[in-house]
Amino acid sequence: NAGVTQTPKFRVLKTGQSMTLLCAQDMNHEYMYWYRQDPGMGLRLIHYSVGEGTTAKGEVPDGYNVSRLKKQNFLLGLESAAPSQTSVYFCASSQGGEQFFGPGTRLTVL
Amino acid sequence: AQSVTQLDSQVPVFEEAPVELRCNYSSSVSVYLFWYVQYPNQGLQLLLKYLSGSTLVKGINGFEAEFNKSQTSFHLRKPSVHISDTAEYFCAVRMGGSEKLVFGKGTKLTVNP
Repeated sequence: NAGVTQTPKFRVLKTGQSMTLLCAQDMNHEYMYWYRQDPGMGLRLIHYSVGEGTTAKGEVPDGYNVSRLKKQNFLLGLESAAPSQTSVYFCASSQGGEQFFGPGTRLTVL
Repeated sequence: AQSVTQLDSQVPVFEEAPVELRCNYSSSVSVYLFWYVQYPNQGLQLLLKYLSGSTLVKGINGFEAEFNKSQTSFHLRKPSVHISDTAEYFCAVRMGGSEKLVFGKGTKLTVNP
């Protein structure tokens, strides 16, 4: 089992560009999450999903959109990237409590 | 709303010394508690968790934590640390009935030779 995978691992964008981060899990988990990690801020929840076809806002949803068309995939989109979105993004999945994390995507917006 | 406070942002210790990383949470309902570890340039992995039962929980790599309901704390301890324990440690709480976790801001543990 690969667990939770994320693509890409690194990306550099210019202000105003768009991109999509892909998260995939092979554990058949119902719940999936997108977090961002910034120095001294811990992990903050952006959006989450409680099942295929559902999404909900987390703590810091502005500037991001998500989709969960398939149970195993959770996509995070940035429509118009801003320097404030420079961060490390983590995807996670869970069922029954423990969350399993992907390796992260390091995004820089210039 | 739930919140998690990790009182120390950085903890430097010498190898083979004991360490305690502190975590306090605020919640008026039953909670589940977790400690995650993040090694440099990696994702988070579960160190240990408290769901119910014994308040002393043992995890991987010789770490343990004690749930104290009256003090709303879940401090992480290790009697003798190694250089390889250098990492960032996150405390997290999940409220009963919800799958979402609320994370503390993390404690960077640096083990020096």
